[in-house]
Amino acid sequence: NAGVTQTPKFRILKIGQSMTLQCTQDMNHNYMYWYRQDPGMGLKLIYYSVGAGITDKGEVPNGYNVSRSTTEDFPLRLELAAPSQTSVYFCASSSQPSGISTDTQYFGPGTRLTVL
Amino acid sequence: DQQVKQNSPSLSVQEGRISILNCDYTNSMFDYFLWYKKYPAEGPTFLISISSIKDKNEDGRFTVFLNKSAKHLSLHIVPSQPGDSAVYFCAAEGLMRAQKLVFGQGTRLTINP
Repeated sequence: NAGVTQTPKFRILKIGQSMTLQCTQDMNHNYMYWYRQDPGMGLKLIYYSVGAGITDKGEVPNGYNVSRSTTEDFPLRLELAAPSQTSVYFCASSSQPSGISTDTQYFGPGTRLTVL
Repeated sequence: DQQVKQNSPSLSVQEGRISILNCDYTNSMFDYFLWYKKYPAEGPTFLISISSIKDKNEDGRFTVFLNKSAKHLSLHIVPSQPGDSAVYFCAAEGLMRAQKLVFGQGTRLTINP
């Protein structure tokens, strides 16, 4: 049981390049999330999904896109990389809202992205 | 608009003593609160949570206290151990928000031997 896996671990992009951050979970969780963490800041929600085929914007969605074609995968796409997107990106998953049960979000190890 | 605030960026505590991490929130619609712990180069891991219908939740060495009138919660770790050295994030959620957590900035806790 690997939990939540993210690839790549590190990436350097040039301004204007595009890339996809991969996220996979093997816990059959319906809910999946993408966060970014800037230095000295908390995690901010980019996009989330409540099930395959359903996605919605979080707090900071500009410059990103997501898709959810399967329960397991939730890739995050950066189309035109900008220096402001330099950050650490975390993917997370959960089985149901934490307000209902004691379940919580399980996080991947993160992807450190630098845009130069 | 920082809805969840952790005003202490860092905290240093001697091993064996109590560590107290604080968190304030502004949104009265939050009704579930969580603490996450994060080691370098790893993702956050869930530590403990509390529902707004409670004012205290305990799990081993970790206790979370919630003061709804003050919109304040705190995490107590006693006794503190070297392995507790990490960044601690407070997070809050409203029941109808599909678990859209709002995180504080984090507090770096260092336990000194």
